[in-house]
Amino acid sequence: AQSVTQLDSQVPVFEEAPVELRCNYSSSVSVYLFWYVQYPNQGLQLLLKYLSGSTLVKGINGFEAEFNKSQTSFHLRKPSVHISDTAEYFCAVSDRNNAGNMLTFGGGTRLMVKP
Amino acid sequence: DVKVTQSSRYLVKRTGEKVFLECVQDMDHENMFWYRQDPGLGLRLIYFSYDVKMKEKGDIPEGYSVSREKKERFSLILESASTNQTSMYLCASSFAGIVADTQYFGPGTRLTVL
Repeated sequence: AQSVTQLDSQVPVFEEAPVELRCNYSSSVSVYLFWYVQYPNQGLQLLLKYLSGSTLVKGINGFEAEFNKSQTSFHLRKPSVHISDTAEYFCAVSDRNNAGNMLTFGGGTRLMVKP
Repeated sequence: DVKVTQSSRYLVKRTGEKVFLECVQDMDHENMFWYRQDPGLGLRLIYFSYDVKMKEKGDIPEGYSVSREKKERFSLILESASTNQTSMYLCASSFAGIVADTQYFGPGTRLTVL
């Protein structure tokens, strides 16, 4: 079984400032890692995912995340945020043994970008 | 573009009623999922279906059942709704043949049980 901890439930930040949303996971097996975003009144959409290879993953809208196996972390970063990045962000993991079909999500981090 | 639609955005039901939530996807995906979303708890998997008439329990299947009679349609059933089932319900779909494929989500159904 896996678990995902998103350490901050809310992150307020000013427009054009950098941001990091933290994610730590626990698993007894190797995992795939994901970040999804949910804009107000919408379903979730994929930002990026780590399957293998380079530990730095680039996603849509200027976001990137770095897989750190020793720290069991997958933190999400953006160097300069926009008002339109205001949303809830979810980190998720899946077990490599089940082909990555079933996701375990963290509790979410609400990013609030202020002008 | 992949489209996942859910039958209602908002639903209000009474305790003890039988509730059907419908989800339809148009991308011929084999996998379909039902999650519930609660503040601070993120999304929790209720049921997963990997083919017509095939299903697996997720993390919180108690009080729910599912039906998948056609590939494009996946229904979540609350046999006797209770107030602790008040929540946002999200449906998703993905390809089975792609490892760790992206899940595509519907807009959600906010269910209130009075």
